[in-house]
Amino acid sequence: DAGVIQSPRHEVTEMGQEVTLRCKPISGHNSLFWYRQTMMRGLELLIYFNNNVPIDDSGMPEDRFSAKMPNASFSTLKIQPSEPRDSAVYFCASSPGGLGEKLFFGSGTQLSVL
Amino acid sequence: QKEVEQDPGPLSVPEGAIVSLNCTYSNSAFQYFMWYRQYSRKGPELLMYTYSSGNKEDGRFTAQVDKSSKYISLFIRDSQPSDSATYLCAFSGGSNYKLTFGKGTLLTVNP
Repeated sequence: DAGVIQSPRHEVTEMGQEVTLRCKPISGHNSLFWYRQTMMRGLELLIYFNNNVPIDDSGMPEDRFSAKMPNASFSTLKIQPSEPRDSAVYFCASSPGGLGEKLFFGSGTQLSVL
Repeated sequence: QKEVEQDPGPLSVPEGAIVSLNCTYSNSAFQYFMWYRQYSRKGPELLMYTYSSGNKEDGRFTAQVDKSSKYISLFIRDSQPSDSATYLCAFSGGSNYKLTFGKGTLLTVNP
């Protein structure tokens, strides 16, 4: 298996633009997580899906952030409009079970909002 | 008091040294204890996973948990340059899907 695949690897955009990050989880994994990593705050859970259903989005910072999982093999995280403080590395992770102990992370998307 | 505290380092050691990485936590509900390793420009990968107090060994790596002191450690024996990475401790409350991560310790092993 190729692991969790994220795209793009790098995204540079201007404030106010829409940003869409993409994730393909490991086949057979039924849990998907979006995390954000910054130096100041470390890794923060944004949203958790189980069997394609959003279970907990309490970590989504604002209404500007939204996430979807239309099927078991694809998820998106959208920021609209983007702001400089959204600059961070965004990770998608999947897990074979409903518990988050053993996560498999993608390589992340480095987002820079100018 | 922060829920998880981890010394950010950086920690620099010579090849072959024994490395000790540590985290303290305050949440008594944590039942699962993990260490993730994160190479530069990569996502974290699970390195060690345990749920009981005591030691768990895997090759050159030993994870130690002291629930009474709310303290976990990761020891790396005979450290190698390939061990250079950021090490993050992580905790889970069992049935809770949320992991709580430390901010990570940056380790450099010099040849």
